[in-house]
Amino acid sequence: AQRVTQPEKLLSVFKGAPVELKCNYSYSGSPELFWYVQYSRQRLQLLLRHISRESIKGFTADLNKGETSFHLKKPFAQEEDSAMYYCALKFGNTGKLIFGQGTTLQVKP
Amino acid sequence: GAGVSQSPSNKVTEKGKDVELRCDPISGHTALYWYRQSLGQGLEFLIYFQGNSAPDKSGLPSDRFSAERTGGSVSTLTIQRTQQEDSAVYLCASSLGLLAFNEQFFGPGTRLTVL
Repeated sequence: AQRVTQPEKLLSVFKGAPVELKCNYSYSGSPELFWYVQYSRQRLQLLLRHISRESIKGFTADLNKGETSFHLKKPFAQEEDSAMYYCALKFGNTGKLIFGQGTTLQVKP
Repeated sequence: GAGVSQSPSNKVTEKGKDVELRCDPISGHTALYWYRQSLGQGLEFLIYFQGNSAPDKSGLPSDRFSAERTGGSVSTLTIQRTQQEDSAVYLCASSLGLLAFNEQFFGPGTRLTVL
């Protein structure tokens, strides 16, 4: 079955510390993975997607097919990074996204 | 331009009543999606439309849930005989197409509370 797992409900770090939000997936096909972010009182929005191999707001994520992981990383966290982060797997050719349970990132001053 | 809009923003209803939730996608977006965000279940897929057609209704929780899309634009999600477990934030998203590089843009959501 297709599944996305984010093991941490809450990740709390100090400003300037490195951040890694974990995401593991289960999918028999070729995965297409995304990270979405929801800042307080704002809409859910796309942060980055693995096919673009991009760095957004200092965040990067590498697809590791061997470990079936797509962890989100940032070397130096900022207070404005505090938000809820969702890892998502695109299922087949439907556009349908399967989301993880989400991780709340709290960056303390 | 305008993003995805949803109405109402909040809806409080009594158990057993029917509710209709509306989604206005970004103009020109052929694909439209409904998701539900709840405390216990996280973000779960409900249904998607390509044009006016809904090829995958597998995410609808029960036959009390239905959705339609007309004119390749506005979509309505209807919940009949609401139950307390239907309380959640219902999110709509739209995209240019179904491919991975077609970003899904989300609306602000409708918060449904069933008393």
